[in-house]
Amino acid sequence: DTGVSQDPRHKITKRGQNVTFRCDPISEHNRLYWYRQTLGQGPEFLTYFQNEAQLEKSRLLSDRFSAERPKGSFSTLEIQRTEQGDSAMYLCASSLATGGARINEKLFFGSGTQLSVL
Amino acid sequence: QQPVQSPQAVILREGEDAVINCSSSKALYSVHWYRQKHGEAPVFLMILLKGGEQKGHDKISASFNEKKQQSSLYLTASQLSYSGTYFCGTELGGGSNYKLTFGKGTLLTVNP
Repeated sequence: DTGVSQDPRHKITKRGQNVTFRCDPISEHNRLYWYRQTLGQGPEFLTYFQNEAQLEKSRLLSDRFSAERPKGSFSTLEIQRTEQGDSAMYLCASSLATGGARINEKLFFGSGTQLSVL
Repeated sequence: QQPVQSPQAVILREGEDAVINCSSSKALYSVHWYRQKHGEAPVFLMILLKGGEQKGHDKISASFNEKKQQSSLYLTASQLSYSGTYFCGTELGGGSNYKLTFGKGTLLTVNP
């Protein structure tokens, strides 16, 4: 497999601007996750897709955040009206679930998109 | 809900052993362990799905005490390549919620 790829690797934006990140999961992986990580912290869950359906979204996520996974392939994460507190590494992960509602398989993480909001 | 990891950091000499602990205040369904090197993506180590389950991977093993709601990661005869930040991720018991909640991590440094 070619791994999970994320684009761009780095994004610098001014406060108030909109940004969009892309994640290409490993081919045929049916589960896709977005996490956010700040310095000295573990990854923080943002949202989860099973194929094209968004099944879980963190309550910490404001309405400025939206994610899509059209056709169950790549995914995009958009942040509107960015704030300085949005500065973080945004990680995408994918996995192949073989059945059940639990995470019984390993997640493959991408290298992330580092967002800096000035 | 965030699991608590201890210690926050540990420094070893090559060949020494270390234990990293992960504890939760809530009932757990599973514990996942990942290692992240500086500037890189987290990499999967192992999943523990049952209470009392122990798994091993080379010289890295782990246990899961379901009653105590905690897991421990054991690194024996450490190698330089073991350096990195170790995260435990927990999935809660009860209904499915499709997410792992990660601890703040334990920074492991192995020196020659």
